[in-house]
Amino acid sequence: NAGVTQTPKFQVLKTGQSMTLQCAQDMNHEYMSWYRQDPGMGLRLIHYSVGAGITDQGEVPNGYNVSRSTTEDFPLRLLSAAPSQTSVYFCASNPPRASRGQYFGPGTRLTVT
Amino acid sequence: GENVEQHPSTLSVQEGDSAVIKCTYSDSASNYFPWYKQELGKGPQLIIDIRSNVGEKKDQRIAVTLNKTAKHFSLHITETQPEDSAVYFCAAANDYKLSFGAGTTVTVRA
Repeated sequence: NAGVTQTPKFQVLKTGQSMTLQCAQDMNHEYMSWYRQDPGMGLRLIHYSVGAGITDQGEVPNGYNVSRSTTEDFPLRLLSAAPSQTSVYFCASNPPRASRGQYFGPGTRLTVT
Repeated sequence: GENVEQHPSTLSVQEGDSAVIKCTYSDSASNYFPWYKQELGKGPQLIIDIRSNVGEKKDQRIAVTLNKTAKHFSLHITETQPEDSAVYFCAAANDYKLSFGAGTTVTVRA
């Protein structure tokens, strides 16, 4: 199993540009999440999905969209990038209930200039 | 929503000594408390977890304790080694949504 994969690893955007961060998992996990990590702030939940076709907002959803058309994929879209979205983004997946442990991808480091 | 506070933010220990990281949470409905280790340039990795019906859990050199009445839980690392140097995050969850602490940077001095 590859686990949770994320692409790209690094990305630089100009303010106003849009892009999609890709996330895929091959563990047949129902739950998938996107987090952003900023210095001194831990990981903050952006959006999550409890299964294909179902998504919901987390703590910091503004400026981001998600969709979940398949169990495997959970892309995160930045609609109009802003410098405040400069961060490291992590995708995670887990079986039903977080109490079975979340698996994190390697992250995407995004810089918005 | 859940609020998780983690202390200290940085911790420097001599190799072989113990390290303790403490977290508090606010939502009494939280029932799952994992700890993650993050090495430089990598994603967080689950190292140990505890559920609300258990007071203590140990796995080799790491242990976690939970006090549900006081709403706090702690990570204990004994006999620290250089490879224990990393950022550690605590989290609290009710069902599937995790709320994370801000992290503790642990440095083990040789």
